[in-house]
Amino acid sequence: GAVVSQHPSWVICKSGTSVKIECRSLDFQATTMFWYRQFPKQSLMLMATSNEGSKATYEQGVEKDKFLINHASLTLSTLTVTSAHPEDSSFYICSARGNGDYEQYFGPGTRLTVT
Amino acid sequence: GQNIDQPTEMTATEGAIVQINCTYQTSGFNGLFWYQQHAGEAPTFLSYNVLDGLEEKGRFSSFLSRSKGYSYLLLKELQMKDSASYLCAATDSNYQLIWGAGTKLIIKP
Repeated sequence: GAVVSQHPSWVICKSGTSVKIECRSLDFQATTMFWYRQFPKQSLMLMATSNEGSKATYEQGVEKDKFLINHASLTLSTLTVTSAHPEDSSFYICSARGNGDYEQYFGPGTRLTVT
Repeated sequence: GQNIDQPTEMTATEGAIVQINCTYQTSGFNGLFWYQQHAGEAPTFLSYNVLDGLEEKGRFSSFLSRSKGYSYLLLKELQMKDSASYLCAATDSNYQLIWGAGTKLIIKP
């Protein structure tokens, strides 16, 4: 089956610093990648959708200058949380979809804690 | 607007059967997913229905009625490990996933 990895699995950073999260499709080419955020006891919230080689499409209310998304290759997308604040602490999950595929394959998630 | 509704929480007994309902309203519709999510983990795929009817996969079955905008996930022979959140998600005309808030299923001995 299709495998998606995320790195790191958890990270603690200080307020004001930036954190980069990587999402990789290991055995397929991901033409589209999705970034989600999930707060405790809440459902997934789509942050942005990115297609390889083009700018990401952000959902309403998500600051594109704060959450930088790069999808430079068919197997890698990165999410950078810039100038992180404690309220950015959350579970960040990526998913990837191949060309013509209907299913999104999820990474294991990254738990970010900003102190 | 686009909307997915499912119950917030359900409780069932080990060994029993439980049905989790989901209703949806989307701009265009291509199919409906069910995912299982254990606490602190990413969602895992359970099923994808495109056509009307029931699809059975082991202890789990999923049903879809496109005309009614309705789906359910049926879990049989419940086990303690089935305690999790179950997420319903519909794909719109652009194959974007519209997520429900999830149903927390609590299994009691």
